[in-house]
Amino acid sequence: NAGVTQTPKFQVLKTGQSMTLQCAQDMNHNSMYWYRQDPGMGLRLIYYSASEGTTDKGEVPNGYNVSRLNKREFSLRLESAAPSQTSVYFCASSQELPYEQYFGPGTRLTVT
Amino acid sequence: GDSVTQMEGPVTLSEEAFLTINCTYTATGYPSLFWYVQYPGEGLQLLLKATKADDKGSNKGFEATYRKETTSFHLEKGSVQVSDSAVYFCALSDRDSSASKIIFGSGTRLSIRP
Repeated sequence: NAGVTQTPKFQVLKTGQSMTLQCAQDMNHNSMYWYRQDPGMGLRLIYYSASEGTTDKGEVPNGYNVSRLNKREFSLRLESAAPSQTSVYFCASSQELPYEQYFGPGTRLTVT
Repeated sequence: GDSVTQMEGPVTLSEEAFLTINCTYTATGYPSLFWYVQYPGEGLQLLLKATKADDKGSNKGFEATYRKETTSFHLEKGSVQVSDSAVYFCALSDRDSSASKIIFGSGTRLSIRP
């Protein structure tokens, strides 16, 4: 039981490049989330998916798109990376709310 | 909207000292409350939770009591260890909210001196 896994662990992009962050969970959870964490800013919700086939915007969705590929997988795409998107990205999942969320180890992204 | 406010860090203590990290919340419904811990280079882990008023969550020597009258969920530990050095996040999830989200505080960095 791996829990929540994320790939890659580290990534460096140039401004304007695109990439997709992958997230998968093996706990049969319905809901999945993408957060970004910046120094001094805590966690900010980018997008979430309450169930397979649905996605909703969070607090900071601009510049990102998501896909809930199936119940296990939830990907985050940066179409045209900007330096302001330099951050640590965390994926999380939960069975139902208000149940606790389980987090992946994070992806550290640098955009130059 | 719902919000969580926790004390700013960093907090630096000596080993075996008593720890309190304050957390207060604002919510329109009846939230569940959580404390998460983040060790360096890792994701967040649930430390403890409480789902209704007067519940006490506890884990690894940490405790927090859900106080509805003061809208607080302060984290305490009687004797901290160097291994407790981490960032601690208070959070809430509102059962009555139509949005399925957890709201996090900004985090408090804790450093323990040997």
